[in-house]
Amino acid sequence: QSVLTQPPSVSAAPGQKVTISCSGSSSNVGNQYVAWYQQLPGTVPKTLIFENNKRPSGIPDRFSGSKSGTSATLAITGLQTGDEADYYCGTWDSSLSAGVFGSGTKVTVL
Amino acid sequence: EVQLVESGGGLVQPGGSLRLSCAASGFTFSNYWMIWVRQAPGKGLVWVSRINTDGSATEYADSVKGRLTISRDNAKNTLHLQMNSLRAEDTAIYYCGTENWGSVASWGQGTLVTVSS
Repeated sequence: QSVLTQPPSVSAAPGQKVTISCSGSSSNVGNQYVAWYQQLPGTVPKTLIFENNKRPSGIPDRFSGSKSGTSATLAITGLQTGDEADYYCGTWDSSLSAGVFGSGTKVTVL
Repeated sequence: EVQLVESGGGLVQPGGSLRLSCAASGFTFSNYWMIWVRQAPGKGLVWVSRINTDGSATEYADSVKGRLTISRDNAKNTLHLQMNSLRAEDTAIYYCGTENWGSVASWGQGTLVTVSS
């Protein structure tokens, strides 16, 4: 049971938009920065979003992050077949004094 | 360009030990908090441990406390994870990374640890 709750899967057609939610609590999402990671099949995870809504250089603006209260959201617009991957949210939990990840969401492009 | 290269993984029997290393280059290693994350085969990401810039502060997941020890050598730009009393459930790919406000900024390619008799 992950501290952060993500939907197991989301799907949409090419060119459409998907959103992935990450629900936590006041000890993690509510008062800490959230990051989002993409893991393509068989590869190393890649950081897509850090500090809630910032993109590392090289990450297209089709990927965006937001946060409200104890929930964070990753949005992917203009969905491409190359976006099929597992996506994880992550943050620090001040009660656990440990980092935490969501259980991951598989994105399928129909 | 940030480069992180893990080594030291392999097959070990339950109860055994391994020492993972992560060689860093392309950035000022001593300025960054560092982190270990693991991923069991077919499973999700799990946070393991982190260490501050001079090694004076460390934190661990409950599942590894007392068995795994994170350390760093800033003179050699190297991060370590000493793994003792290993269990089957420690089997995973171990990734090192730079840490930024609780998140992983840069990732290594990972090293596989298999605990089995």
